[in-house]
Amino acid sequence: GENVEQHPSTLSVQEGDSAVIKCTYSDSASNYFPWYKQELGKRPQLIIDIRSNVGEKKDQRIAVTLNKTAKHFSLHITETQPEDSAVYFCAAPLYNFNKFYFGSGTKLNVKP
Amino acid sequence: GAGVSQSPRYKVAKRGRDVALRCDSISGHVTLYWYRQTLGQGSEVLTYSQSDAQRDKSGRPSGRFSAERPERSVSTLKIQRTEQGDSAVYLCASTSIGPSEKLFFGSGTQLSVL
Repeated sequence: GENVEQHPSTLSVQEGDSAVIKCTYSDSASNYFPWYKQELGKRPQLIIDIRSNVGEKKDQRIAVTLNKTAKHFSLHITETQPEDSAVYFCAAPLYNFNKFYFGSGTKLNVKP
Repeated sequence: GAGVSQSPRYKVAKRGRDVALRCDSISGHVTLYWYRQTLGQGSEVLTYSQSDAQRDKSGRPSGRFSAERPERSVSTLKIQRTEQGDSAVYLCASTSIGPSEKLFFGSGTQLSVL
């Protein structure tokens, strides 16, 4: 979606390294930012989300940071494992049109 | 229900034919989205509806895509005059209130237009 930009489109890391994926959004009224993980042939699964009243949220090896001023939020995966290999999508709501827009996805490959 | 389900899982259609894809969302969920997912282009919002809207045509490409909601927890995505470029995975997702709540996804319908 043109209202959410996601980078990079592909990311290859060595097992144990960290991975960072970044998204920027356009609607300053957006207040909820989820990240989804989609394994091949499966449905997207919510892995972490953040609301605009906090700047960072962490869940074990996964964290999300939010910069409302700059209108971007990032997914951080530490100590990556091969099972982290998947496509990751960010999303942000567009309130004017009551819609949810997704980033174009990042294909993460964790090499053993 | 236990989650969002979609049918069929796979659909093959001849170019020019109309197709209908079904989504059974979670009871009580208000807003339902249809997305089209293609390699390299991520997920594109096609259309959405809220529980009081029987029909929504806000999707794109405009005109050929529409969603009907015959029951509160059921939606049918209709694609008219299918084109080869419509080949993709179609995902539906629902949320209990609106875009500030978690989306629950179906497992998708893979459409192939020949």
